[in-house]
Amino acid sequence: EAGVTQFPSHSVIEKGQTVTLRCDPISGHDNLYWYRRVMGKEIKFLLHFVKESKQDESGMPNNRFLAERTGGTYSTLKVQPAELEDSGVYFCASSQGGPYNEQFFGPGTRLTVL
Amino acid sequence: GNSVTQMEGPVTLSEEAFLTINCTYTATGYPSLFWYVQYPGEGLQLLLKATKADDKGSNKGFEATYRKETTSFHLEKGSVQVSDSAVYFCALRKGAGNMLTFGGGTRLMVKP
Repeated sequence: EAGVTQFPSHSVIEKGQTVTLRCDPISGHDNLYWYRRVMGKEIKFLLHFVKESKQDESGMPNNRFLAERTGGTYSTLKVQPAELEDSGVYFCASSQGGPYNEQFFGPGTRLTVL
Repeated sequence: GNSVTQMEGPVTLSEEAFLTINCTYTATGYPSLFWYVQYPGEGLQLLLKATKADDKGSNKGFEATYRKETTSFHLEKGSVQVSDSAVYFCALRKGAGNMLTFGGGTRLMVKP
């Protein structure tokens, strides 16, 4: 069974540009989460989808970040326009239906904003 | 709000040494506690977990005991191997939201 995949693995962009990160969860997983780790600090929650609906987006830092989950399958996280402080590693995780199932993580996308 | 504090690294040990990585948490009620590990180039993997006070999680020789009285969940291993070199994250989960709250991560380097 394929795990959670993320694309790209690395992205280097200039301040003011737009970047879109993609996450493909494990097939059949209704829950999808985005987290990020900035500057080697703690990993912080961004948002949680249940199927195509945003269940909790309390961790989204500002309106430059837009997350979507088309048809309840893959998800994208767009940053527009990117700022220097957005640099970090963005992780995606998925889990089966129900609130307490194990979250399986992808390898992350390393974003560098110059 | 909820928070997790873990010892800063890097922690450098020789093979077969004893490992302790400290983790304490702040949360109301009874969160579930986790240790995740990230090997180079890979995503986070669940290493072990404990869901109630005095529970002991264990996996691959690693252990951690949920201590409510000290709000701690320290990770231990009796004899580390070079292959244990990775970044270890302590985390908690509380509430129906199911989101994880992580500590800052501790890099472990084991030398032969």
